[in-house]
Amino acid sequence: GENVEQHPSTLSVQEGDSAVIKCTYSDSASNYFPWYKQELGKGPQLIIDIRSNVGEKKDQRIAVTLNKTAKHFSLHITETQPEDSAVYFCAATSGGYQKVTFGIGTKLQVIP
Amino acid sequence: EAQVTQNPRYLITVTGKKLTVTCSQNMNHEYMSWYRQDPGLGLRQIYYSMNVEVTDKGDVPEGYKVSRKEKRNFPLILESPSPNQTSLYFCASSFGTGEKLFFGSGTQLSVL
Repeated sequence: GENVEQHPSTLSVQEGDSAVIKCTYSDSASNYFPWYKQELGKGPQLIIDIRSNVGEKKDQRIAVTLNKTAKHFSLHITETQPEDSAVYFCAATSGGYQKVTFGIGTKLQVIP
Repeated sequence: EAQVTQNPRYLITVTGKKLTVTCSQNMNHEYMSWYRQDPGLGLRQIYYSMNVEVTDKGDVPEGYKVSRKEKRNFPLILESPSPNQTSLYFCASSFGTGEKLFFGSGTQLSVL
């Protein structure tokens, strides 16, 4: 089955700096790669996603890049703000988008 | 308001006492799924359902049962809970597949 590795597990940045979280996947058939943000005491919330036929996608301060050949994808957050502090999960879907495999999560702390 | 509702939010039980965690969504989603979240392991998929009466195993289905008799409800059943099922559980739904998941607020289960 699919295996998703995510790193780093924790990340501290100064407010205004950029943050990058990286994930690799094992199943070359995976074709949808979402990122979820989980705030304390809440369920994960989708923040951005990318399909395998696209190399990069941006939404304001966040962007995701995908390298299908190397089987890795990354989340980029620019101009970080304290409210960006949360746990971020990457995921990969396979089996016709039915099975979803998550990474272990990255705890991002933005220091004011 | 569009939402996924899980109940209860917190549950403490003893080994072997059957329990059910309910999940309901009001978005007319076809796809529903259950995950458990454990430190250092991220989110792991337990079961998913593509539609009424259609369910399939995720990565960690042992010790769990599900049913999908109505489109809006997807209960998670632990027939004989054990301490290794102590975890934070999330229900999620989406329109047709595992894309763009909407998560509930979670159920913290402790099995003594």
